[in-house]
Amino acid sequence: GAVVSQHPSWVICKSGTSVKIECRSLDFQATTMFWYRQFPKQSLMLMATSNEGSKATYEQGVEKDKFLINHASLTLSTLTVTSAHPEDSSFYICSASLSGQGNNSPLHFGNGTRLTVT
Amino acid sequence: AQKVTQAQTEISVVEKEDVTLDCVYETRDTTYYLFWYKQPPSGELVFLIRRNSFDEQNEISGRYSWNFQKSTSSFNFTITASQVVDSAVYFCALRISSGSARQLTFGSGTQLTVLP
Repeated sequence: GAVVSQHPSWVICKSGTSVKIECRSLDFQATTMFWYRQFPKQSLMLMATSNEGSKATYEQGVEKDKFLINHASLTLSTLTVTSAHPEDSSFYICSASLSGQGNNSPLHFGNGTRLTVT
Repeated sequence: AQKVTQAQTEISVVEKEDVTLDCVYETRDTTYYLFWYKQPPSGELVFLIRRNSFDEQNEISGRYSWNFQKSTSSFNFTITASQVVDSAVYFCALRISSGSARQLTFGSGTQLTVLP
């Protein structure tokens, strides 16, 4: 089945540094990938839609200069948290669906990245 | 705008009991898609089932079954003969047909604990 790989699984960084999270579709091409954020015991909130070869579409309230998204190929999207602060600590999870599939095709999710900013 | 409500925050059952997770959704679209995902403690999201808005036939898949009632905008999910390994957070999600993006709108999740 379709596999989405997310790296790293967890990262601890100091306040003010930047962290890059990678999301790869291993056995399929994904024109579109999605980045979600999940706080403890809460639901997943869509941050942005990553489009291959074009700019990402950010949800209202998400700072595009803070959360940089790059989707340079059909199998890789990256999320960079710039100048991270403790309030950015969260669980970030990406998802992708097979290009050309209908709306009833399920999104496949990565394993998530737990970011802790100290 | 779309909305998914999971009123049950936490549910505890004893192993082998049946358990039903409730989901109510809101959308103005006439064509939409509903999903259930499971999130074990490890964090990954596991796809369980999906249903299209134009197909109200309820089905059973192994120990999983679902009850889709368009009239009440509900998409409930039942696990029969629950097992300890079923302990996880379960999310109901909605995707509309209009527009080019295929993002999901998630409910707040239901923490299911199955006790041995």
